[in-house]
Amino acid sequence: RKEVEQDPGPFNVPEGATVAFNCTYSNSASQSFFWYRQDCRKEPKLLMSVYSSGNEDGRFTAQLNRASQYISLLIRDSKLSDSATYLCVVRGTGRRALTFGSGTRLQVQP
Amino acid sequence: GAVVSQHPSRVICKSGTSVKIECRSLDFQATTMFWYRQFPKKSLMLMATSNEGSKATYEQGVEKDKFLINHASLTLSTLTVTSAHPEDSSFYICSASVGANQPQHFGDGTRLSIL
Repeated sequence: RKEVEQDPGPFNVPEGATVAFNCTYSNSASQSFFWYRQDCRKEPKLLMSVYSSGNEDGRFTAQLNRASQYISLLIRDSKLSDSATYLCVVRGTGRRALTFGSGTRLQVQP
Repeated sequence: GAVVSQHPSRVICKSGTSVKIECRSLDFQATTMFWYRQFPKKSLMLMATSNEGSKATYEQGVEKDKFLINHASLTLSTLTVTSAHPEDSSFYICSASVGANQPQHFGDGTRLSIL
């Protein structure tokens, strides 16, 4: 079983749509959670950290359910510029390196 | 914000060549940096953890004699792919964070192509 699992997609949605990505992780001792965004042939860029209380940054909302070991990302009012691969990322206890999911590809269409 | 610089961004060379990739933290000191590799349409996989002033910690399956890591200062880590072969062609990315519980920032990545 992979440490971090994501639906690879692609998710093809029209501009203005709301889209949700899910992610599960296997290590219950994981401490920190993030969503990164990666454009084609580019490095990952931090989108947002994910907290148990849930957090929102503009059109983006992230949720963490520790009991279910489940992380989600909601994007409202999708823009063309949101097209990218979204990586679910987890960091374990006492370990600074990150474990990446394989990513979910989003294509927002005009 | 924290910036990580990686150089070169693109390398094309013949089989058997050794290639050095540099990773620098530009506005902060990083006692620990990380090296990842990403094959096309695959996730980033951690290769090794680079520790300033001590030996790197390699992940299972990564040959330490093949991928030499040197972290000689608090702002620079280097990865040398020795005697590179076509199967080493990949996207190599380094990262660093300001602190233990802070998000990591990535370098621009190095696309390595071995002919």
